[in-house]
Amino acid sequence: EIVMTQSPATLSVSPGERATLSCRASQSVSSNLAWYQQRPGQAPRLLIYGASTRATGIPGRFSGSGSGTEFTLTISSLQSEDFAVYYCQQYNNWPRTFGQGTKVEIK
Amino acid sequence: QLQLQESGPGLVKPSETLSLTCIVSGDSISSTNYYWGWIRQPPGKGLEWIGSFYYSGSTYYNPSLTSRVTISVDTSNNHFSLKVNSVTAADTAVYFCARQPAVAAKASFNYWGQGTLVTVSS
Repeated sequence: EIVMTQSPATLSVSPGERATLSCRASQSVSSNLAWYQQRPGQAPRLLIYGASTRATGIPGRFSGSGSGTEFTLTISSLQSEDFAVYYCQQYNNWPRTFGQGTKVEIK
Repeated sequence: QLQLQESGPGLVKPSETLSLTCIVSGDSISSTNYYWGWIRQPPGKGLEWIGSFYYSGSTYYNPSLTSRVTISVDTSNNHFSLKVNSVTAADTAVYFCARQPAVAAKASFNYWGQGTLVTVSS
């Protein structure tokens, strides 16, 4: 099983600032990596797939990078609706596995 | 427009079987283009993939749950179901159904149901 590790667990950021979230895989997942946003009481929403491709309707302030074992999600200028929990997930291998999440909170 | 809707009892007794159904509208679960799966989230915790199936009959389960979990498919009614046997309090979670493209490079969960909370308690 591929273990996904996200850091930091919590990120405190002021509105308008940049947020950088990290995700590491215990073995290579190539570019088969997705990022999800989850707001309280809601289902996760796909932001990024293929490590760097934005899903339909996702604003350009969200960008993903990386391949192999190291990945990054960047939110260029945080808006109020971006304060949420973010998960990475690999779909290179079965079982599919998620990171434990990074909570982006208002500083 | 694609919609996934989970349904089932919100309360299950310990040692009994948890049963949920995902009703799909706007797409066919027999499509060659997608996997369909279940993910759960214990209160205040992260996401755990439970299992997924493909129309051909291939089914994949999380090794940590495989001895207790079954996913079944009803193509005539366009829904799929989840059963978890011998539940304990640790199975208390919000259960989501979701769709994954079958193309390997895109196989993230791109559509989710709203989720349904199942509590295991006597």
